[in-house]
Amino acid sequence: QQQVKQSPQSLIVQKGGISIINCAYENTAFDYFPWYQQFPGKGPALLIAIRPDVSEKKEGRFTISFNKSAKQFSLHIMDSQPGDSATYFCAARNIGGNMLTFGGGTRLMVKP
Amino acid sequence: ETGVTQSPTHLIKTRGQQVTLRCSSQSGHNTVSWYQQALGQGPQFIFQYYREEENGRGNFPPRFSGLQFPNYSSELNVNALELDDSALYLCASSYPGTASYEQYFGPGTRLTVT
Repeated sequence: QQQVKQSPQSLIVQKGGISIINCAYENTAFDYFPWYQQFPGKGPALLIAIRPDVSEKKEGRFTISFNKSAKQFSLHIMDSQPGDSATYFCAARNIGGNMLTFGGGTRLMVKP
Repeated sequence: ETGVTQSPTHLIKTRGQQVTLRCSSQSGHNTVSWYQQALGQGPQFIFQYYREEENGRGNFPPRFSGLQFPNYSSELNVNALELDDSALYLCASSYPGTASYEQYFGPGTRLTVT
């Protein structure tokens, strides 16, 4: 049972553009929502994370927007660069636990 | 780099065999979680070890088992390998008590079952 749904599966953006990846969750017992970036042959690397009591968090070119009532959150990558080309995963952590439930991933390609 | 190491990097096994994968957690982290990542999919939680005890398990059969040692390193054992066990196996370490419970992943072990 997939509890975190991620879209789109793939995304092509021009250099300098904005990349937007969306996630929706069903289980209300999540209390922490990280985003991970994964390059081929590597493990996922923590990019940015948010708690549900905050509606937006920005770190450099990366911003998470969180809508608790809609059970949705999204990652915005501003001024996208070819080096951002990777697979991005949203995830959610269950309250009181340490288990992460991941979305299916978005393969981002930033064209020069 | 996260400081989480895994061995071996790649492994090829035959259906029905057994395999052991190893993970060394980041310094100071006493919790290790294991995930299975099939090709083109997101990681799926297998189980977590905290202070040498299993502390949560995902939807995986008992032939997936693990250990954690006093130095917090960990092993994932898979018995009676099936073709569908072919995947990237990731371990992640964390330290409960931090506000965010951030998990740091290793590079993974690529297991191929033929």
